[in-house]
Amino acid sequence: DVKVTQSSRYLVKRTGEKVFLECVQDMDHENMFWYRQDPGLGLRLIYFSYDVKMKEKGDIPEGYSVSREKKERFSLILESASTNQTSMYLCASSLLRISYEQYFGPGTRLTVT
Amino acid sequence: GQQVMQIPQYQHVQEGEDFTTYCNSSTTLSNIQWYKQRPGGHPVFLIQLVKSGEVKKQKRLTFQFGEAKKNSSLHITATQTTDVGTYFCAGYNDYKLSFGAGTTVTVRA
Repeated sequence: DVKVTQSSRYLVKRTGEKVFLECVQDMDHENMFWYRQDPGLGLRLIYFSYDVKMKEKGDIPEGYSVSREKKERFSLILESASTNQTSMYLCASSLLRISYEQYFGPGTRLTVT
Repeated sequence: GQQVMQIPQYQHVQEGEDFTTYCNSSTTLSNIQWYKQRPGGHPVFLIQLVKSGEVKKQKRLTFQFGEAKKNSSLHITATQTTDVGTYFCAGYNDYKLSFGAGTTVTVRA
């Protein structure tokens, strides 16, 4: 079974802090994704990566950056956290093509106070 | 840009009844995927439809892809309490997978 793990289930940070969310997948998938999930808005893509050191902006990249130094690990960085970034963050991975089914991690619920 | 709309946003169903949730895209899709997210859980892949007019079944769940490849539906028969959760469709086109807002299903026993 594909396993996607995220570093924290719950995280509380203060406004202005730099926040790192880590995601690791164990199935050698090429593609990795970061989404945020908010009630009534579904899943919105922040960034994705199709290879090591490669990244593409999604629909809502503002205020976020990403890093993929190793194939299995994809990090989401909030350079200066703001209260409107309070949300559920979901990491996902997929094999070969972006059109393939995605495997999601358990999510990190981030609260910025 | 590509948009995927899902209706209804909420579906309250009596146990044993049938219901359908719909997904509509503003553009023609290469494929459409469906995911289920249980309360407190993460989205889990259910199925992918690729061909125009395609119909696939998984036990009590029937998935359909429209002839024009711009809409899809999920029909659940004889709803059970295990069907509770949020169902998302995700349409793929032009190197982009766009998720709908989801249909949240609750079941009255």
